[in-house]
Amino acid sequence: GAVVSQHPSRVICKSGTSVKIECRSLDFQATTMFWYRQFPKQSLMLMATSNEGSKATYEQGVEKDKFLINHASLTLSTLTVTSAHPEDSSFYICSASFGDYGYTFGSGTRLTVV
Amino acid sequence: SQKIEQNSEALNIQEGKTATLTCNYTNYSPAYLQWYRQDPGRGPVFLLLIRENEKEKRKERLKVTFDTTLKQSLFHITASQPADSATYLCALDSSNTGKLIFGQGTTLQVKP
Repeated sequence: GAVVSQHPSRVICKSGTSVKIECRSLDFQATTMFWYRQFPKQSLMLMATSNEGSKATYEQGVEKDKFLINHASLTLSTLTVTSAHPEDSSFYICSASFGDYGYTFGSGTRLTVV
Repeated sequence: SQKIEQNSEALNIQEGKTATLTCNYTNYSPAYLQWYRQDPGRGPVFLLLIRENEKEKRKERLKVTFDTTLKQSLFHITASQPADSATYLCALDSSNTGKLIFGQGTTLQVKP
């Protein structure tokens, strides 16, 4: 089946630094990927839609300059959290659609900003 | 306003019983609705997709119903097992653009 590989699974960074999260589709091409954020005991909230070869579209309230998304190829989308602060600590998850079989999600990245 | 809500935060049942989870939505007209399983610290895993013109869908011990009049989907796990313990999320594509909106999830605990 379709697999999305997400790395790293966990990252701890200092406040003010940037962190890059990668999401790769392993056995299919994903022209569109989605990035979600999940706070403890809450559901997934869509942050942005990543489109191969074009700019990402962000949901209302998500700062595009803080959460940089790059989708340079059909198999790779990256999310960079710039100048991270403790309030950015969360669980970040990417996903891609594979038609009638729903969406496949990455395993998630636990970001802790100290 | 648009809402997608799942019943109760936690559901505890005995092994072997049927678990029934509810997903209600308001002010949406989704073409399909999906159910996912999420284990702690992991991404969601797709379980079932049901379209607006389908009343029921089954996959092994799982059954999903979709009532567009009631704006409700029910998710059943029959002969539940402790390994079924997880959080179950319903999701819909609010604008047919591929952007999924998730319910808050129901945590199921199956006791042996």
